[in-house]
Amino acid sequence: KNEVEQSPQNLTAQEGEFITINCSYSVGISALHWLQQHPGGGIVSLFMLSSGKKKHGRLIATINIQEKHSSLHITASHPRDSAVYICAVDFGNEKLTFGTGTRLTIIP
Amino acid sequence: GAVVSQHPSWVICKSGTSVKIECRSLDFQATTMFWYRQFPKQSLMLMATSNEGSKATYEQGVEKDKFLINHASLTLSTLTVTSAHPEDSSFYICSARGEWGRVAYNEQFFGPGTRLTVL
Repeated sequence: KNEVEQSPQNLTAQEGEFITINCSYSVGISALHWLQQHPGGGIVSLFMLSSGKKKHGRLIATINIQEKHSSLHITASHPRDSAVYICAVDFGNEKLTFGTGTRLTIIP
Repeated sequence: GAVVSQHPSWVICKSGTSVKIECRSLDFQATTMFWYRQFPKQSLMLMATSNEGSKATYEQGVEKDKFLINHASLTLSTLTVTSAHPEDSSFYICSARGEWGRVAYNEQFFGPGTRLTVL
């Protein structure tokens, strides 16, 4: 069964802290997406990766294909990073299976 | 990155009426568009996959006669909620996937969503 698990469900941190959000999946994939959803609901695609590591500004995404695991890191976190972060996986059928999301709150 | 728009951003309607939601890819051609719905504090659920010029493929449990999807061009897909009822109130999000320049084929770009409230 194609499953995606995220942890933690909720994360509260102080401004400036290094943040890590984890995503595990059950079987081989063709691509993994990290998405950001703000309180208004709009979704922004942060990364799509199938191997290795990608970096954009203060955001870093890594994926370990052998361990079926991906992490999203935020360096020097800021209150504006507060959002729900969602891991979504393409198991090869071109549809996305979504994790339950991680609600991140950064306190000034 | 590529931009996807949705219209309207929110809509309130009376029970029994039909509501049309538009999803447009603004700067690329979307060969495939996806429609999702999201209930409060829950994750996105795929409703249907729409390919330009062909009938949409609906996920199990989604009524195709209730949620009509039309993908008439490479930049526009519409979702019509027919005879809407309060239980249809939800956040509807589309995404588009295509191939254009720097846009990777497998990457999906999401619209801002449409919040539907049925009274």
